[in-house]
Amino acid sequence: QSALTQPPSASGSPGQSVTISCTGTSSDVGGYNYVSWYQQHPGKAPKLMIYEVTKRPSGVPDRFSGSKSGNTASLTVSGLQAEDEADYYCSSYAGSNNYRVFGGGTKLTVL
Amino acid sequence: QLQLQESGPGLVKPSETLSLTCTVSGGSISSSSYYWGWIRQPPGKGLEWIGSIYYSGSTYYNPSLKSRVTISVDTSKNQFSLKLSSVTAADTAVYYCARELVGATHDYWGQGTLVTVSS
Repeated sequence: QSALTQPPSASGSPGQSVTISCTGTSSDVGGYNYVSWYQQHPGKAPKLMIYEVTKRPSGVPDRFSGSKSGNTASLTVSGLQAEDEADYYCSSYAGSNNYRVFGGGTKLTVL
Repeated sequence: QLQLQESGPGLVKPSETLSLTCTVSGGSISSSSYYWGWIRQPPGKGLEWIGSIYYSGSTYYNPSLKSRVTISVDTSKNQFSLKLSSVTAADTAVYYCARELVGATHDYWGQGTLVTVSS
């Protein structure tokens, strides 16, 4: 069971869109529609932003959206705002052994 | 509103056993809809899933930690617990407990507790 692969950093200017990728295998990301995305500000607990690839919990702005193609999931943040600057982690269910796996995290900087 | 709160020693000696408890309030740990999980984050690093438990006691562990981890549940106290044996400095981390939906989504998290392994 290996961690999912995310780019270490991403950036964009206010108002722009940015997409963060999360690459796994057919045993996790590609095999199930159970990818989640979390936002974490410094010193805080992670906050669920996207679950089951595309679903947003109540209260999460619709500027945040998720998608998946094959073994790669993506989080898109549209209309970037200063408060979106944070670390973002993807997570996936990993199937037959009931494992769960996280990505290494991406630091999003709003320029 | 569901709340989770981790508790336990903040300092553990090398080779000893780390023990943490997560107390759930505002909801029942015995709900058939959820698992309950432990996740950790070493300082400056990413998240690592440790393991998950169902109210019935069924458990699933990260294979890299499986030999050292035990997660248990006490439905009478609405709590679940983590024990990690033979700790080293590499186990120093913020430990989070969380509610887990179908598909391994963690929707409610505790605030986290820092555990330092040092003599």
